[in-house]
Amino acid sequence: SYVLTQPPSVSVAPGKTARITCGGNNIASKSVHWYQQKPGQAPLLVMYYDSDRPSGIPERFSGSNSGNTATLTISRVEAGDEADYYCQVWDSTSDDRYVLFGGGTKLTVL
Amino acid sequence: QITLKESGPTLVKPTQTLTLTCTFSGFSLNTSEVGVAWIRQPPGKALEWLALIYWDDDKRYSPSLKSRLTITKDTSKNRVVLTMTNMDPVDTATYYCAHSPDIVRWFDHWGQGTLVTVSS
Repeated sequence: SYVLTQPPSVSVAPGKTARITCGGNNIASKSVHWYQQKPGQAPLLVMYYDSDRPSGIPERFSGSNSGNTATLTISRVEAGDEADYYCQVWDSTSDDRYVLFGGGTKLTVL
Repeated sequence: QITLKESGPTLVKPTQTLTLTCTFSGFSLNTSEVGVAWIRQPPGKALEWLALIYWDDDKRYSPSLKSRLTITKDTSKNRVVLTMTNMDPVDTATYYCAHSPDIVRWFDHWGQGTLVTVSS
């Protein structure tokens, strides 16, 4: 079965750039979506179809997907960006189609 | 404006069956490509997808939980119901329902979640 691999944690200083990766076999062939989750809150969609931003999400958030790695990039990181981030794909390559989440990455703003 | 809200018991005993209801507004499950999913999150752990129901009543389940799950919809009442049999303490989690706008299955609106504890 398909597996999405995320680093457990990423740390970045305020004002710097954070890159959160999501690894999967030929993940570039799939659409990757990203969610931000702050403590005690439901997940919030921050990126869909690899690099599309929902309305209300700052332009500081961007996404890319190539080869075996998808990346969520957060520029000019702010304290309010501290959260868990999850990547997600729809695996439709088999008859048993399903949703898959990565294990999540905790972003710490130093 | 799309909203979803989960409801159901907060405490179930081991071996019991859990029934959760997602009541939504702002969209119709009769609309082509729309779906509603159930996703859970054990305390301190990652998100785990459980089940998905499509506008055309097609259903998909997590392979690891398929034998225990049933998802149904009541389009007239704007509700989606998930049942999970043979509950175990490891099923203790916050259960979310979420709206999926198209066939690639991403989730643009989520409910607030409901914490279900499995304990005797």
